[in-house]
Amino acid sequence: DIQMTQSPSSLSASVGDSVTITCRASQSISGYLNWYQQKPGKAPKLLIHLASGLQGGVPSRFSGRGSGTEFTLTISSLQPEDFATYYCQQCYSVPITFGQGTRLEIK
Amino acid sequence: QAQLVESGGGVVQPGRSLRLSCAASGFTFSDYGMHWVRQAPGKGLEWVAVISYDGSNKYYADSVKGRFTISRDNSKNTLFLQMNSLRVEDTAVYYCAKDRGIVVVPDDSGWFDPWGQGILVSVSS
Repeated sequence: DIQMTQSPSSLSASVGDSVTITCRASQSISGYLNWYQQKPGKAPKLLIHLASGLQGGVPSRFSGRGSGTEFTLTISSLQPEDFATYYCQQCYSVPITFGQGTRLEIK
Repeated sequence: QAQLVESGGGVVQPGRSLRLSCAASGFTFSDYGMHWVRQAPGKGLEWVAVISYDGSNKYYADSVKGRFTISRDNSKNTLFLQMNSLRVEDTAVYYCAKDRGIVVVPDDSGWFDPWGQGILVSVSS
């Protein structure tokens, strides 16, 4: 199985800051990496597909990069609604696996 | 737009069974692979199972293999998860999710969008 490791596990930032979350795969997954945002009590929401493809309706302050084993999600100019938990997910092969999540909190 | 609504959750004793349903609307259900994903209280996301567009191919996480069965009824736009021999560690919110594509074989799986609102399954004596 492909293991996905996110860092950091939690992060404190202020409105207006820029933050970057890293996701590493235990083997190469090419660009088969997706990012989701989850708010408390809600279902996950797709943000980025295939490493860098911005999902329709998602603000352009969200961006993704990477290939192979290392990927990043960057949120520029944080807004109050961005404070949530973020998960990466590989869809290179089954079983599909998620990172453990990164909790983004308001400083 | 595409919408998914889960039902069938609840409290059940260890060793018993439960069947979850996921009603789909707003898209051609038979054109897409479908997934179940779960989230234990306070924990991260765990993928559970995938089913191809026509129901002919399925794949399970090791943690549920042999106990859970994913199926679909394309005539009723509904996805199912039959959960047998439930364990305390199966306690979670269960989400159904639409794949981005048809999923002929499980490795065709892509990103998930949208997700249902989730349904709680609590396994406790």
